[in-house]
Amino acid sequence: NAGVTQTPKFQVLKTGQSMTLQCAQDMNHNSMYWYRQDPGMGLRLIYYSASEGTTDKGEVPNGYNVSRLNKREFSLRLESAAPSQTSVYFCASSEGGTVSAFFGQGTRLTVV
Amino acid sequence: GENVEQHPSTLSVQEGDSAVIKCTYSDSASNYFPWYKQELGKGPQLIIDIRSNVGEKKDQRIAVTLNKTAKHFSLHITETQPEDSAVYFCAAISDYKLSFGAGTTVTVRA
Repeated sequence: NAGVTQTPKFQVLKTGQSMTLQCAQDMNHNSMYWYRQDPGMGLRLIYYSASEGTTDKGEVPNGYNVSRLNKREFSLRLESAAPSQTSVYFCASSEGGTVSAFFGQGTRLTVV
Repeated sequence: GENVEQHPSTLSVQEGDSAVIKCTYSDSASNYFPWYKQELGKGPQLIIDIRSNVGEKKDQRIAVTLNKTAKHFSLHITETQPEDSAVYFCAAISDYKLSFGAGTTVTVRA
């Protein structure tokens, strides 16, 4: 049982380049989330999908777009990367509502 | 939206002693409070959680308490061991969104 799988694990981008972070879960969870983690700031919610077919903005959505491709997959796209988007990105999933979320191993992104 | 504050930001304890981390939240509608442990280079892992209709929950050396009136919740680790060294995050759920505290780096000294 793989849980939540993120690809890639590491990525270096040049300013202005675009890329998509992929996330897939095999737990049949309804809700999926994208967070970014920066030193001293904990985890901040970028976007979430409460259920298949819906997406909503979180705390820091600017510069990002998401797609809930199906129940298993939730991708995060950076259209024009900026150095401020250098961070570690985590995908998570949960059954939804007030239940625990399970996290992937993270994608470390550096924008130069 | 929900605002979760966590203290202290760093905590150093002697092996065998207890560690306590405290959090406050702002949204009175929040009703689920998980705690996560994050080791270096890994994603956060759920270690214990508590719901708003419960005041305390224990799991071996770990316990959480919740005071809904004061909007406080705490993590207590007893008999700390070197493997307890990690970053710990408190969180609160409101309207499907899980909001995190800034984290506490716990170091257990041998």
